[in-house]
Amino acid sequence: AQSVAQPEDQVNVAEGNPLTVKCTYSVSGNPYLFWYVQYPNRGLQFLLKYITGDNLVKGSYGFEAEFNKSQTSFHLKKPSALVSDSALYFCAVRPSYSSASKIIFGSGTRLSIRP
Amino acid sequence: SQTIHQWPATLVQPVGSPLSLECTVEGTSNPNLYWYRQAAGRGLQLLFYSVGIGQISSEVPQNLSASRPQDRQFILSSKKLLLSDSGFYLCAWTNLAGQYNEQFFGPGTRLTVL
Repeated sequence: AQSVAQPEDQVNVAEGNPLTVKCTYSVSGNPYLFWYVQYPNRGLQFLLKYITGDNLVKGSYGFEAEFNKSQTSFHLKKPSALVSDSALYFCAVRPSYSSASKIIFGSGTRLSIRP
Repeated sequence: SQTIHQWPATLVQPVGSPLSLECTVEGTSNPNLYWYRQAAGRGLQLLFYSVGIGQISSEVPQNLSASRPQDRQFILSSKKLLLSDSGFYLCAWTNLAGQYNEQFFGPGTRLTVL
């Protein structure tokens, strides 16, 4: 079965420190990978995506993610966390052959940045 | 640019009452449209998707239905709400013709069934 795993329910980081939010996936074929962020009572905002090419992709608000095919991972990173980064983060994958462009979402990781 | 609207933003309904949530997209044609439900601020469950007018696919059996009467309009309905229908409902779109691979989400509707 195709799936996305976010192994950490919550990640706590001090402001100014680097952050990593982990994501692994299990799909056949070449996946399209995404990260979204959700603030309370808001819809999901698209952060970045990997389709093909350079394994390191950069996105909004200083976030980046690295695609690692051998480890089937797509971890989200930021060199220096801000308190305003505190939110719920979702990793998602779309198999390249997905019908109707359906996306599989992880369960989410709550990121908490302390001042 | 493209925008997606959902209304109402919040809704409190009694058990057994009907439901109609609306989603509209602007600035794109023939989008794929999706309805998700998010419970307790966590994972998303895909409820319905549509690749064209009148074309609806259901992902899970439930008390809800969806319709797409116009190209950029997607409606989520119920004849009789259950307590378990409470949640945060999100509409999303994508458009492969526009070479988008990601989905773009609306602001959501918070539904509380009492």
